Amino acid sequence: QKEVEQNSGPLSVPEGAIASLNCTYSDRGSQSFFWYRQYSGKSPELIMFIYSNGDKEDGRFTAQLNKASQYVSLLIRDSQPSDSATYLCAGLGGSYIPTFGRGTSLIVHP
Amino acid sequence: GAGVSQSPRYKVAKRGQDVALRCDPISGHVSLFWYQQALGQGPEFLTYFQNEAQLDKSGLPSDRFFAERPEGSVSTLKIQRTQQEDSAVYLCASSLGTASVANYGYTFGSGTRLTVV
Repeated sequence: QKEVEQNSGPLSVPEGAIASLNCTYSDRGSQSFFWYRQYSGKSPELIMFIYSNGDKEDGRFTAQLNKASQYVSLLIRDSQPSDSATYLCAGLGGSYIPTFGRGTSLIVHP
Repeated sequence: GAGVSQSPRYKVAKRGQDVALRCDPISGHVSLFWYQQALGQGPEFLTYFQNEAQLDKSGLPSDRFFAERPEGSVSTLKIQRTQQEDSAVYLCASSLGTASVANYGYTFGSGTRLTVV
């Protein structure tokens, strides 16, 4: 079992809707979590990180962390077609080596 | 440089050939990571350097894989006697330091797409 699990999708949402991406992790020692966006054929780019329980907002993006339930989520408000990409969740424990999930493909259709 | 630079961008190798992939991290970045990303999968950790020291190589899939960073800046990932299962995108990432990874993540290069035929 991978330490970080994501549904591969695809998740399809209409333009303007809220996209909800979820991630669970098994290592209770994980302290920080990252969301990367990866367009097809491109390298991952960091969009959010979170290390405290609760919500963290940055523009249209909100990351949510629940350490008791061991899940992390990313909400994208007012989804745009340009948000269509694969979203990678990564967890970081004491080793300072992030472990990535397989990614969730998001499709925002007009 | 302004970002993490990787070369070549694409590499086609015949099975059994040796290849060398280069990563030039952001200037001053202490931590350097190599990841392997197969099609439709997330990046899988290969190895980690702090300056010139290779602190973790637990992700290297076999002894055909070798990485070095002799002067603490540019790193090379070498794959000997390539096999078809080595076909993947090889990503390099760098970070200012270990603590900054926890706070800020790290920056990926554009990757090298290796195809073994």
